[in-house]
Amino acid sequence: SQQGEEDPQALSIQEGENATMNCSYKTSINNLQWYRQNSGRGLVHLILIRSNEREKHSGRLRVTLDTSKKSSSLLITASRAADTASYFCATARWETSGSRLTFGEGTQLTVNP
Amino acid sequence: KAGVTQTPRYLIKTRGQQVTLSCSPISGHRSVSWYQQTPGQGLQFLFEYFSETQRNKGNFPGRFSGRQFSNSRSEMNVSTLELGDSALYLCASSTSGSGIREQYFGPGTRLTVT
Repeated sequence: SQQGEEDPQALSIQEGENATMNCSYKTSINNLQWYRQNSGRGLVHLILIRSNEREKHSGRLRVTLDTSKKSSSLLITASRAADTASYFCATARWETSGSRLTFGEGTQLTVNP
Repeated sequence: KAGVTQTPRYLIKTRGQQVTLSCSPISGHRSVSWYQQTPGQGLQFLFEYFSETQRNKGNFPGRFSGRQFSNSRSEMNVSTLELGDSALYLCASSTSGSGIREQYFGPGTRLTVT
C-alpha cells in the first residue's frame, strides 16, 4: 500500500507563481525524499530531508518536514514552464528486511507560460 | 559518469510468455532497486539487490524475480505474464541501500502485455 498521500493531486499555475505540494505519511520514517517525473520517464531526485531536520533548501526548492504531524511540503518558487511534471514524495524506513522507499501517489504540476 | 541504463526501452509480449529486463547502474553503485509503475497502483517497490544479494522484497507474486551480477548489473524476470503486468518498470541505483540515500533512476522499460 502507498505510504504517502499527496495533496493536491493536480495543480495548475502561471509561470512565476509559487507551487506548494503536500505529502502525508503514516508510519515513522528515517528520511523523506522528493522526486520529479516528466511524462512517463524516469524519476529525478530533487531533495532528501532526514527525520531530524525540519527544513531544507536547494535552489528554488524548499522542503519542510513535520514528523509530529507526519507531513512534508515541497515549495517551488518562481515556477517555470519546464517545472511541469509529476512530483512524488517517498518515505524511507529501515525494516528488519532492509530499507525501502515507499512512494506517494504524486502531484501533477502544470506551469502555464 | 554515465547514468542508469535500462534495456529494452519498450517491449510487447503476449499473456503467458516470460520477459527479462536489464538494468546497468551508475558505476560504483552497488544497490539496485526495481519498481513497477501503473496508473492504478502508482509506484510500487519490487525488490532491492545489494552486492548480488536480495535485501528486500515488495508484495509481488513469485512470478517476479531478479538477480544481480558481480558487476552490479541487474535483471528482473517476470514469468507467465498477465495483462495486469503491463507497466513501466523502473530501476534505480544507489551507493547504499534503497532509502538510505538518493536513488538514481533509469528511463524505464515500458512493458505491454497483450
